[in-house]
Amino acid sequence: GAVVSQHPSWVICKSGTSVKIECRSLDFQATTMFWYRQFPKQSLMLMATSNEGSKATYEQGVEKDKFLINHASLTLSTLTVTSAHPEDSSFYICSARGTRTVSNEKLFFGSGTQLSVL
Amino acid sequence: RKEVEQDPGPFNVPEGATVAFNCTYSNSASQSFFWYRQDCRKEPKLLMSVYSSGNEDGRFTAQLNRASQYISLLIRDSKLSDSATYLCVGLRMDSSYKLIFGSGTRLLVRP
Repeated sequence: GAVVSQHPSWVICKSGTSVKIECRSLDFQATTMFWYRQFPKQSLMLMATSNEGSKATYEQGVEKDKFLINHASLTLSTLTVTSAHPEDSSFYICSARGTRTVSNEKLFFGSGTQLSVL
Repeated sequence: RKEVEQDPGPFNVPEGATVAFNCTYSNSASQSFFWYRQDCRKEPKLLMSVYSSGNEDGRFTAQLNRASQYISLLIRDSKLSDSATYLCVGLRMDSSYKLIFGSGTRLLVRP
């Protein structure tokens, strides 16, 4: 089945540094990539939606200059948390929608990245 | 009010028990619904889609009531491996394609 590879699985960084998270679709073309954030015991909250070759659409309350999303190819999307602070510590997860899922609501999730900012 | 609401639990049940989870949604723009299972710090995994006619997959039965905006999941003969968080999810395909996640119901199955 379709696989989305997300790296790194976990990262610990100092406050003020930037962290890049990658999601790759391994056997399909991801026309749309969704980025979510999940705090402990809370639901996955959509941060932004990106379509290949276009600027990402951010949800209300998500700072686009802080969470940089790049979706330059149909198999790779990245999320960069710039100038990370302890309150950015969270579980970040991507999900991909490919061309063959147009009539199928199924999304394919990456395995998630646990970010801890000291 | 959250768009998809669930009882957070936890539900602590013995092996073999039957357990039911409920979920309500407030936005009628949600067209499709799903139950996902999420283990701690793992990605959500699709458990099953939910239809008005009800659907069953082994020990799992899901039901959607659009009039009441209510979704249910029934798990029969609980196994230890069923311990996880169960997420109720709505899909909106109006002006955008968006999955709306509930905060999840935690299930603990004890020996």
